[in-house]
Amino acid sequence: GENVEQHPSTLSVQEGDSAVIKCTYSDSASNYFPWYKQELGKRPQLIIDIRSNVGEKKDQRIAVTLNKTAKHFSLHITETQPEDSAVYFCAARGAGSYQLTFGKGTKLSVIP
Amino acid sequence: DADVTQTPRNRITKTGKRIMLECSQTKGHDRMYWYRQDPGLGLRLIYYSFDVKDINKGEISDGYSVSRQAQAKFSLSLESAIPNQTALYFCATSEGTGIGYGYTFGSGTRLTVV
Repeated sequence: GENVEQHPSTLSVQEGDSAVIKCTYSDSASNYFPWYKQELGKRPQLIIDIRSNVGEKKDQRIAVTLNKTAKHFSLHITETQPEDSAVYFCAARGAGSYQLTFGKGTKLSVIP
Repeated sequence: DADVTQTPRNRITKTGKRIMLECSQTKGHDRMYWYRQDPGLGLRLIYYSFDVKDINKGEISDGYSVSRQAQAKFSLSLESAIPNQTALYFCATSEGTGIGYGYTFGSGTRLTVV
């Protein structure tokens, strides 16, 4: 089955700096890669996703890039703000399946 | 956000007891999932269902069972709870067709087995 590795497990940045979280996946046929944000005590919520036929996608201060050859994808957050502090999960969906395999999460702390 | 509802929100139970966690949704999604979240381990799939007649095991199904009573309802049972089943449990739903559909999660059930 699919295996997703996520790094780093914790990340601290100064407010206004950029943050990058990286994930690798094992199944070369995986075709969908969402990112979830989980604030303390709340449910994970989808913040951005990318399909395998796209190399990059942006939504305001967040962007996701996908390198299919290397089987890795990354979340980029620019101009970080304290409200960006949360745990972020990457996930991958293998071809022919609908369930997601998640990374272990990255706890992002934005220091004012 | 009230589209996927989990009950109870918190539960403390004793080792050996049977417990059921319930999930209902008003999104009209066919696909439903149960995950558990443990610190440092992320979200791991327990069971998933694509319709009322379809139940599938995930990566950590041992010690759990599920029931899909209707399109909108998917319950998770612990037949004989043990302390290492202490975790945060999430139900999620997704649309049926295509590849570009993420999950909608419920609010979670925090289960403690003592």
